[in-house]
Amino acid sequence: NAGVTQTPKFRVLKTGQSMTLLCAQDMNHEYMYWYRQDPGMGLRLIHYSVGEGTTAKGEVPDGYNVSRLKKQNFLLGLESAAPSQTSVYFCASSPGWPGNTEAFFGQGTRLTVV
Amino acid sequence: SQELEQSPQSLIVQEGKNLTINCTSSKTLYGLYWYKQKYGEGLIFLMMLQKGGEEKSHEKITAKLDEKKQQSSLHITASQPSHAGIYLCGADSGAGSYQLTFGKGTKLSVIP
Repeated sequence: NAGVTQTPKFRVLKTGQSMTLLCAQDMNHEYMYWYRQDPGMGLRLIHYSVGEGTTAKGEVPDGYNVSRLKKQNFLLGLESAAPSQTSVYFCASSPGWPGNTEAFFGQGTRLTVV
Repeated sequence: SQELEQSPQSLIVQEGKNLTINCTSSKTLYGLYWYKQKYGEGLIFLMMLQKGGEEKSHEKITAKLDEKKQQSSLHITASQPSHAGIYLCGADSGAGSYQLTFGKGTKLSVIP
């Protein structure tokens, strides 16, 4: 029962470095999302995908890129990390339109940019 | 865009007491979700409400969506330490959006 798996769980980056966060789901869900969670700000949507090969911008997309080459994977990239990107990142997936289906969340990736 | 306001922001209750958390939307809610998050972990789905006046229960947690579908409440009866965590309400942003919007969360502490 893997569900939604995020890799890595923790990471420390230096300003300007790049990295990719991997999200994998084994539930054959069409929709996948990347959120960041910051104190006092709640969960904010970065990018999302409504199917393989599709991506769209969410509320806070600047500084991030995503790809959905395979249905089960949703990658979040930081090309040049900044301290403002220090956050906890959550990936989620859902089988359909979020208005009437449950979303499943990964355990999160805690990223620190120094 | 839709905004969800949760109240209170934090809550400390003694074990055995009842409590209520509210979630108010700036727009009509098409689907309202309640999730729970323990520190350092992901979100766990609790309940989904879609119809005005709908009420659902799971163990000692009951959630309601008001008739006008702009406010939801989460009620915990006889709280236990296991209920501690952050409760978040989430909603479909509507108008054909594929996005879930979340409130900022309510941090619940239960004192034994």
